[in-house]
Amino acid sequence: GENVEQHPSTLSVQEGDSAVIKCTYSDSASNYFPWYKQELGKGPQLIIDIRSNVGEKKDQRIAVTLNKTAKHFSLHITETQPEDSAVYFCAAPNTGNQFYFGTGTSLTVIP
Amino acid sequence: KAGVTQTPRYLIKTRGQQVTLSCSPISGHRSVSWYQQTPGQGLQFLFEYFSETQRNKGNFPGRFSGRQFSNSRSEMNVSTLELGDSALYLCASSKQDGYEQYFGPGTRLTVT
Repeated sequence: GENVEQHPSTLSVQEGDSAVIKCTYSDSASNYFPWYKQELGKGPQLIIDIRSNVGEKKDQRIAVTLNKTAKHFSLHITETQPEDSAVYFCAAPNTGNQFYFGTGTSLTVIP
Repeated sequence: KAGVTQTPRYLIKTRGQQVTLSCSPISGHRSVSWYQQTPGQGLQFLFEYFSETQRNKGNFPGRFSGRQFSNSRSEMNVSTLELGDSALYLCASSKQDGYEQYFGPGTRLTVT
């Protein structure tokens, strides 16, 4: 099965700074890597994803990078704002398309 | 376009009872996946339905079951509830390939 590890578990940054969250996965057949943001009392929200045929994808202040050789992918948030404070999850599917989630990173952006 | 809706949002049940949760996917989405979220175990995959058929199943006991209707709406059922079943149950819908999943707000189940 797939094993997804996520680091760090908590992250505090000053407003305007960058935040980076990293995930590693074990199933070399995984080909899709989404990132979710979960705010208190809400379901996870898909914020960005990447397929295995590209190495990087950007969407305004958010970017995801993928290193298939090393089996890791990272979420980069630039110019952080207080509304970025939330729990972020990475995920990866196994060969049966079952999604495995990381344990989450609680991001706090300090104004 | 309306998002994924789940009902009820909150539920309190007693050990031994059963419960049914409902999920309406985004219009046009045919895949519905269910997840259990707890502080200790995180987000765990329960099962996925596509075209009224269970396409994938996670490692949960048979007390957890689901179904999908012809309009893609899905229900999950938990029988003989245990205290450890207290969790946030999330459903997510996607188009055909099961990727790009969009989650609903969840149903918070408390078992006493």
